[in-house]
Amino acid sequence: EDQVTQSPEALRLQEGESSSLNCSYTVSGLRGLFWYRQDPGKGPEFLFTLYSAGEEKEKERLKATLTKKESFLHITAPKPEDSATYLCAASSGGSYIPTFGRGTSLIVHP
Amino acid sequence: GAGVSQSPSNKVTEKGKDVELRCDPISGHTALYWYRQSLGQGLEFLIYFQGNSAPDKSGLPSDRFSAERTGGSVSTLTIQRTQQEDSAVYLCASSYRDRVGEQFFGPGTRLTVL
Repeated sequence: EDQVTQSPEALRLQEGESSSLNCSYTVSGLRGLFWYRQDPGKGPEFLFTLYSAGEEKEKERLKATLTKKESFLHITAPKPEDSATYLCAASSGGSYIPTFGRGTSLIVHP
Repeated sequence: GAGVSQSPSNKVTEKGKDVELRCDPISGHTALYWYRQSLGQGLEFLIYFQGNSAPDKSGLPSDRFSAERTGGSVSTLTIQRTQQEDSAVYLCASSYRDRVGEQFFGPGTRLTVL
């Protein structure tokens, strides 16, 4: 059974204080590792897809990296508008249905 | 272009009543997913449609839940004889077939069963 575990559950940062969110996954033959951002009262918004260990993707202050067992979402010099819940998901080779983690709730204080 | 839309945005119903939730996917997206999200929980997969293929219903929690997709576009999720534990946000997402994780989500329907 595919499993995705995110840590920490919640993270509070001061504006400008860089940090990382973790996503550990166990899937049979990784098809893709996905990151989403979800704002309160809205549906998740797709951020990145990572396909193989060593791959990195960047978007503004966010950088996602992938190893064989986990993915990190690095947030550099965060701003209050980066406050959201970040969801990680993984899909295995034979499946079109990704497994989602429970998310990390990030709050960035000004 | 328009994103994924869902209606209603909020639904309050009494225990035992039936409800229908609607999803309009992005035009051209052949894959459509329904998920359920409860407070503090992750996204729970319910059902997956791909083109004209038989849907993957493996996530439906009971036979009170059903869904259909007409003409490869609009989808309706029906919950019969609602229970209080059905209260949650129901999210719909669509994608291209080969982009499993690059899903575009609607805003969700918040269902409250009294």
